[in-house]
Amino acid sequence: SAVISQKPSRDICQRGTSLTIQCQVDSQVTMMFWYRQQPGQSLTLIATANQGSEATYESGFVIDKFPISRPNLTFSTLTVSNMSPEDSSIYLCSVEVAGGFSEQYFGPGTRLTVT
Amino acid sequence: GQQVMQIPQYQHVQEGEDFTTYCNSSTTLSNIQWYKQRPGGHPVFLIQLVKSGEVKKQKRLTFQFGEAKKNSSLHITATQTTDVGTYFCAGRRGAQKLVFGQGTRLTINP
Repeated sequence: SAVISQKPSRDICQRGTSLTIQCQVDSQVTMMFWYRQQPGQSLTLIATANQGSEATYESGFVIDKFPISRPNLTFSTLTVSNMSPEDSSIYLCSVEVAGGFSEQYFGPGTRLTVT
Repeated sequence: GQQVMQIPQYQHVQEGEDFTTYCNSSTTLSNIQWYKQRPGGHPVFLIQLVKSGEVKKQKRLTFQFGEAKKNSSLHITATQTTDVGTYFCAGRRGAQKLVFGQGTRLTINP
């Protein structure tokens, strides 16, 4: 298993600003992911954070809007840029500990409200 | 693209009643996982099924993977208030990303 922390846990931001969310894992992991979850909805994968290279984005998500860094095997950041109210959501970091496409462990999430 | 459909979207039961949620994929899956998300919490991994026709049990929870590896179910026997939450299935096809179903929100009347 893995213990994952995220900062901040929640924030209220003004439109047009940017917020960087941090994800810290207590052990080295191969795969790290960023998801978005609207209240009462399912999880939507934003991107896979790749260590030492550019993140792999899913359809509908672009690097300019959601830049991601992953400087090492235990840490990643997601920035939500030029925010609008539509970006209000819960952002979740997750990891796969074992290889071979195993289960995912999720961080506690960051609740973002854009006014 | 790969889609994972989950029904029902909501289920309200009396405590002690059984509960089942169903998951269907448009394509054959390599494996399927189940997660539980308590209100205000984050998804927590419950189990992974890999083999065709596989059945696994965790206390009052029974998980099944269909013979064609396109559908799965989670059945809870004699629900308790601690079972409240949203249950998500998530399927994977080969080396592709994990795709989550819409989830089934379970509420229980004590």
